[in-house]
Amino acid sequence: QVQLVQSGAEVKKAGASVKVSCKASGYTFTSYGISWVRQAPGQGLEWMGWISAYNGNTIYAQKLQGRVTMTTDTSTTTAYMEVRSLRSDDTAVYYCARGTTVHHWFDPWGQGTLVTVSS
Amino acid sequence: QSVLTQPPSASGTPGQRVTISCSGSSSNIGNNYVYWYQQLPGTAPKLLIYRNNQRPSGVPDRFSGSKSGTSASLAISGLRSEDEADYYCAAWDDILSGWVFGGGTKVTVL
Repeated sequence: QVQLVQSGAEVKKAGASVKVSCKASGYTFTSYGISWVRQAPGQGLEWMGWISAYNGNTIYAQKLQGRVTMTTDTSTTTAYMEVRSLRSDDTAVYYCARGTTVHHWFDPWGQGTLVTVSS
Repeated sequence: QSVLTQPPSASGTPGQRVTISCSGSSSNIGNNYVYWYQQLPGTAPKLLIYRNNQRPSGVPDRFSGSKSGTSASLAISGLRSEDEADYYCAAWDDILSGWVFGGGTKVTVL
């Protein structure tokens, strides 16, 4: 079955970087892309961007441009999302989700990775 | 503040019908498909409705979606206790060139 398994929880200091992984299985990795969506504690969902696993093309949310980088490793069918210059308001659960193109819906989702930013 | 507007809460008794609204603009709902996601407590969101009114396999037909102009709605008929969750609408926004979500609606089964 199609599955996305994410890396474990992280605690980082403000100003540091964090890199979250998303291991895909059960489908042809390079035929789809991966979106990243985050959810601050008790808040709603925020789309962060999308990457094509076929050619590495990326589209980032305007708000996060310059602070986020998404990559993929086709040899291990893993997607990565890095956020730099972390701030307290980056504290959130980060989800990866499969999407054929950037306009495609998110299905399925990973289990989520809690990133806590402390000052 | 979310780009799409949803009521923060909705409730009903078992067996009732509950409707959740999602209001947007011409750059998102008015010109693109609407999607609905269900988030059960402590879990990741799950696709519930795609392309305005289509149900993925495995989603009960008690869930239905519709869209008119710049608004959309999700209806849950025959409400069950396991439907207690947060529900989010989403759409692509042509001006922002990105996905936008509603703030979420918490459905409570009384």
